[in-house]
Amino acid sequence: QKEVEQNSGPLSVPEGAIASLNCTYSDRGSQSFFWYRQYSGKSPELIMSIYSNGDKEDGRFTAQLNKASQYVSLLIRDSQPSDSATYLCAVNIRKGGFKTIFGAGTRLFVKA
Amino acid sequence: GAVVSQHPSWVICKSGTSVKIECRSLDFQATTMFWYRQFPKQSLMLMATSNEGSKATYEQGVEKDKFLINHASLTLSTLTVTSAHPEDSSFYICSARLGSVYEQYFGPGTRLTVT
Repeated sequence: QKEVEQNSGPLSVPEGAIASLNCTYSDRGSQSFFWYRQYSGKSPELIMSIYSNGDKEDGRFTAQLNKASQYVSLLIRDSQPSDSATYLCAVNIRKGGFKTIFGAGTRLFVKA
Repeated sequence: GAVVSQHPSWVICKSGTSVKIECRSLDFQATTMFWYRQFPKQSLMLMATSNEGSKATYEQGVEKDKFLINHASLTLSTLTVTSAHPEDSSFYICSARLGSVYEQYFGPGTRLTVT
């Protein structure tokens, strides 16, 4: 089992819809979880960090964490074509200190 | 958010030469910096973890003698690609982390082309 798993997509949603991106992780001791957005040819940009079970909202973005299920998700409301990018899930695990493991990313296309 | 810069943003060099890439955290002191490589349409690949004042920890399969990392201060880390070859052409991205449990902030990346 990979340490951080994401559906590679592509995930295609119409403009204005809710995009739902999912991520599972294997280390039960993980405490820190992050979502990054990466546009083609650019470096990743932090969107959200979440440390506690439940939902965390920031504008159109909501991160959801369920440690019992080892599951973290990102919801994007009112999706815009400018949201089209690859979304990377990242988890801090205790491995020779703290190491951040990135998922392979999910490609999102928002159709106008 | 925190700001991380990288220089240069792109570089073209001849095969056999060495290239140095700088990574700076501009508005915070980074306890740890990371170096990644990303080939087109592929995911991030962690190359090494760098802590200020100590030797870098390289990931399996990454040649430490080819990719020299120096973390001289809490705000500066450098990656030197020695004796570069065309297969080293890639997008190199650094990131910096404030503390062990916190998020990483990425630099804008350096696109290296070896001819």
